[in-house]
Amino acid sequence: GNSVTQMEGPVTLSEEAFLTINCTYTATGYPSLFWYVQYPGEGLQLLLKATKADDKGSNKGFEATYRKETTSFHLEKGSVQVSDSAVYFCALSSGGYQKVTFGIGTKLQVIP
Amino acid sequence: DAGVTQSPTHLIKTRGQQVTLRCSPKSGHDTVSWYQQALGQGPQFIFQYYEEEERQRSNFPDRFSGHQFPNYSSELNVNALLLGDSALYLCASSSNRGAKGHMGGYTFGSGTRLTVV
Repeated sequence: GNSVTQMEGPVTLSEEAFLTINCTYTATGYPSLFWYVQYPGEGLQLLLKATKADDKGSNKGFEATYRKETTSFHLEKGSVQVSDSAVYFCALSSGGYQKVTFGIGTKLQVIP
Repeated sequence: DAGVTQSPTHLIKTRGQQVTLRCSPKSGHDTVSWYQQALGQGPQFIFQYYEEEERQRSNFPDRFSGHQFPNYSSELNVNALLLGDSALYLCASSSNRGAKGHMGGYTFGSGTRLTVV
């Protein structure tokens, strides 16, 4: 079956530091890959997506590249802000009905 | 344009009771999926509704059931509540139409926080 493995947190960074959150996946076929963000007390928001190999998704300074050869979709940001503090979920969808499978989530805390 | 609306936002129930959670999808979306997110975990898929029918389901027990109405809104029902059912229940909507379909990603509601005591 499909699965997503992402680094466990929490990750604590100083403001303006570089961020990497690792994500690898196992899936049949050709999945679409996503990063979702969840702020405290809220639902999930789609941060970025990539639908085929070598695609780069980007949004709000965050980037992730769909690497089929390494089955990875690592999230990066060059300079984090306090407002980026949240839980980040790597996810994939595949199959006819595109059910989404999530990783466990990585909590990011950015300190001033 | 309203996104996904879920009600209620918080709910406290006693073991053995039944609960109904409600979801209105984003305008233009026709498919509703329900997820359970336990504390500190990623969301787990429960089932998906399209054209008023359940078309995909995970291995959640039969105590979990749902419904979709002609206006695409949906309900999640849980019978005989257990303490372990305490979680954030998320509704996600998407469009089944067109080549992109769900590949654009789901739109999630803010969830219903269910506490079973």
